Amino acid sequence: EVQLVESGGGLVQPGGSLRLSCAASGFTFSSYWMSWVRQAPGKGLEWVANIKLDGSDKYYVDSVKGRFTISRDNAKNSLYLQMNSLRAEDTAVYYCARIGGVAPAGRWYSWFDPWGQGTLVTVSS
Amino acid sequence: DIQMTQSPSSLSTSVGDRVTITCRASQDIRNDLVWYQQKPGKAPKRLMYAASSLLSGVPSRFSGSGSGTEFTLTISSLQPEDFATYYCLQHNSYPWTFGQGTKVEIK
Repeated sequence: EVQLVESGGGLVQPGGSLRLSCAASGFTFSSYWMSWVRQAPGKGLEWVANIKLDGSDKYYVDSVKGRFTISRDNAKNSLYLQMNSLRAEDTAVYYCARIGGVAPAGRWYSWFDPWGQGTLVTVSS
Repeated sequence: DIQMTQSPSSLSTSVGDRVTITCRASQDIRNDLVWYQQKPGKAPKRLMYAASSLLSGVPSRFSGSGSGTEFTLTISSLQPEDFATYYCLQHNSYPWTFGQGTKVEIK
């Protein structure tokens, strides 16, 4: 069974740091781009970051650039999100997600599937 | 950045009704659009990719259309399990952006 399990969330003070982890199983982790998506309480979804198969390319939403770092360890089938200089507006459930896709006629179409169950990060004093 | 605007933000409807949700992109995204369904307390579930291609396991009452800047998700006959919030996502260019969501509620 393909599964993603996040951990590492919790309560942290503004300006603090937290490292989220996502353990992958049931598929060849090194063959997929991976992503972090977050959802503030009662709000919509926000894409946070993507990382390429070998970690050589990374992309971020502007609001976390310079503060968050996505990384992966293919030997451990694990995805990470190092979050520094946390702000109240970073409070959210953080989901890791596998980026799947198809390339009919050479054009790549992506989607997130599966998703983890999410881990709650609360930034508050 | 590409802005994705969904409408309506919510709607009240009944089992058996036809439902249409619209997603508009602030610039041309071709058909690089995915639709998701999310139920309270759960992770989103993918429904459709390339704006109109149904993903495996998704009921055929769901359909999608559009290209460029305007897209629609249609549920032909709403079932009880379809009451949820629906999101579009564009992956044409970074940063990837979601619409703000459409909550489909029971009338």
